[in-house]
Amino acid sequence: GQNIDQPTEMTATEGAIVQINCTYQTSGFNGLFWYQQHAGEAPTFLSYNVLDGLEEKGRFSSFLSRSKGYSYLLLKELQMKDSASYLCAVSRDPYSGAGSYQLTFGKGTKLSVIP
Amino acid sequence: DSGVTQTPKHLITATGQRVTLRCSPRSGDLSVYWYQQSLDQGLQFLIQYYNGEERAKGNILERFSAQQFPDLHSELNLSSLELGDSALYFCASSALNLPRGKNTEAFFGQGTRLTVV
Repeated sequence: GQNIDQPTEMTATEGAIVQINCTYQTSGFNGLFWYQQHAGEAPTFLSYNVLDGLEEKGRFSSFLSRSKGYSYLLLKELQMKDSASYLCAVSRDPYSGAGSYQLTFGKGTKLSVIP
Repeated sequence: DSGVTQTPKHLITATGQRVTLRCSPRSGDLSVYWYQQSLDQGLQFLIQYYNGEERAKGNILERFSAQQFPDLHSELNLSSLELGDSALYFCASSALNLPRGKNTEAFFGQGTRLTVV
């Protein structure tokens, strides 16, 4: 089976930096995704890591350690609009065949940005 | 706009009834995922189809079923509805005919909000 853990809630101040951690256990690991979801809206893609290391995209960076089953999302220069849930998702390939990738989400971390 | 279309956006129905939710994936995407999200809950994976075939099943109730048609659109059927089935139902699509290790990013539709009364 799979297990994906991330903190339930976090609070940070506008302009600051926040790190949201995610740990996972899975077989057939293919990659790790971070999505942002505002309440009542669809999740939107933020980042993807398949190899160890840091991927940077503007104010957002994501890190992966495959050996440790660990990832984090780093948000810099926080803005009020960054208040949302951040979902860690693991893609796995249990069958090694076309279209066999499964995408499973953690419960999400609700980030509140305060003035 | 993700390119994934879900209809209807809102649905209100009574307990015991049956409903069908529809999803049109992004052009060219062969894989469709269905997720359920209850209030303040995470995205619960229900089922995945690839090019018309079921590929993976999550915590999908026996009262729920799905299919993907030759034109790649998908339908999720929910029957004998209960109050607890009230939730947002998301469909997502991705291009999974990619080599291992490539980005299999899923694009989400705006969801169908189902209210069972």
